[in-house]
Amino acid sequence: DGGITQSPKYLFRKEGQNVTLSCEQNLNHDAMYWYRQDPGQGLRLIYYSQIVNDFQKGDIAEGYSVSREKKESFPLTVTSAQKNPTAFYLCASSATGVPYNSPLHFGNGTRLTVT
Amino acid sequence: KQEVTQIPAALSVPEGENLVLNCSFTDSAIYNLQWFRQDPGKGLTSLLLIQSSQREQTSGRLNASLDKSSGRSTLYIAASQPGDSATYLCAVQNNAGNMLTFGGGTRLMVKP
Repeated sequence: DGGITQSPKYLFRKEGQNVTLSCEQNLNHDAMYWYRQDPGQGLRLIYYSQIVNDFQKGDIAEGYSVSREKKESFPLTVTSAQKNPTAFYLCASSATGVPYNSPLHFGNGTRLTVT
Repeated sequence: KQEVTQIPAALSVPEGENLVLNCSFTDSAIYNLQWFRQDPGKGLTSLLLIQSSQREQTSGRLNASLDKSSGRSTLYIAASQPGDSATYLCAVQNNAGNMLTFGGGTRLMVKP
């Protein structure tokens, strides 16, 4: 079955530590995305990548970093510079970046708690 | 900057009712609009995608309409079932790139 795998499902970290969230897809999709979801709010785009070795900042990139060394993988690092990192993080992919009419496919998310 | 609003934030209906969820957006220059379903603690599942040139899309008991000029979309759910209980989010994709702007969602509960 093709899909997007996010791991771990729950992650706990102490303040000041960097943490990396994993996202792997076997859909052969070109584009991948990271979103953050806070209670009662819509999703906000952190970073996206339309092709290997290229990525762009979204609306709330400060305190986050990404890499796209392989088509299948788009890990997100939450650094200590992120002021309010506790949230639900969702990874998504789409078949193509251009044209834009390909639906997004989402993973099941990672809930990060920083204390 | 595109803003997407979903009202109401929460809705509770008895099983069997037909219902309409609303989505409004401020910038009508969109490329497409998508409706998603999210179960608690899970990711989003794409339900319907309406291209800007289309007026509606249907899938089973779901029908989504799009009125670009008025900046509105509706998701119609016929004969609601308890299994339809979830949060429904709409998102618009603008013409400038791949960015999707999401609404805050409507949390639907269908009571048996």
